[in-house]
Amino acid sequence: KQEVTQIPAALSVPEGENLVLNCSFTDSAIYNLQWFRQDPGKGLTSLLLIQSSQREQTSGRLNASLDKSSGRSTLYIAASQPGDSATYLCAPLGSARQLTFGSGTQLTVLP
Amino acid sequence: SQTIHQWPATLVQPVGSPLSLECTVEGTSNPNLYWYRQAAGRGLQLLFYSVGIGQISSEVPQNLSASRPQDRQFILSSKKLLLSDSGFYLCAWSPDGTPLMTQYFGPGTRLLVL
Repeated sequence: KQEVTQIPAALSVPEGENLVLNCSFTDSAIYNLQWFRQDPGKGLTSLLLIQSSQREQTSGRLNASLDKSSGRSTLYIAASQPGDSATYLCAPLGSARQLTFGSGTQLTVLP
Repeated sequence: SQTIHQWPATLVQPVGSPLSLECTVEGTSNPNLYWYRQAAGRGLQLLFYSVGIGQISSEVPQNLSASRPQDRQFILSSKKLLLSDSGFYLCAWSPDGTPLMTQYFGPGTRLLVL
């Protein structure tokens, strides 16, 4: 059974800092891995999807990397802004064709 | 463009009462559909998924059920709610019958069982 761990559980940084969110998963037999953002009381917004054959994906100030063999992914946020404050979730898509979610990293960017 | 709707947005129900949550997708055909639950302080848990009308797979044994009466409609139901059913219920879809694509989530329904 796939297990996903996200570290840290919570992070508070001043505006403008670069930061890294970590995700690890136990079963490396995945099709892809997605990073999502969830604002309080809201649904999930997909940020980046990395296919298993890819090493990284970039969208604006976001860069996600994937090391499938070691079961790790990182989300790098450059020049953080208060609007980036949210919970960030990673979710690998496994052999059962199901997404398994981590518990998330709650990010607060202070103005 | 595709959109996904869920209603109601918020629901407060007594223990033992029935439940019906609805999810509809617009702008696509034959989507994969999913129901997730997010309990307080816990991660998202997949409850049901469907690859077509009348085709439902259950991931977690519970007193909930799902149905897909139409191509773009997914319903989550219960005959008798439990306190443990409280949580944030999210519907999601992925395109064109393949589960390898990204999933798109609805706004969610917050359910409180008292």
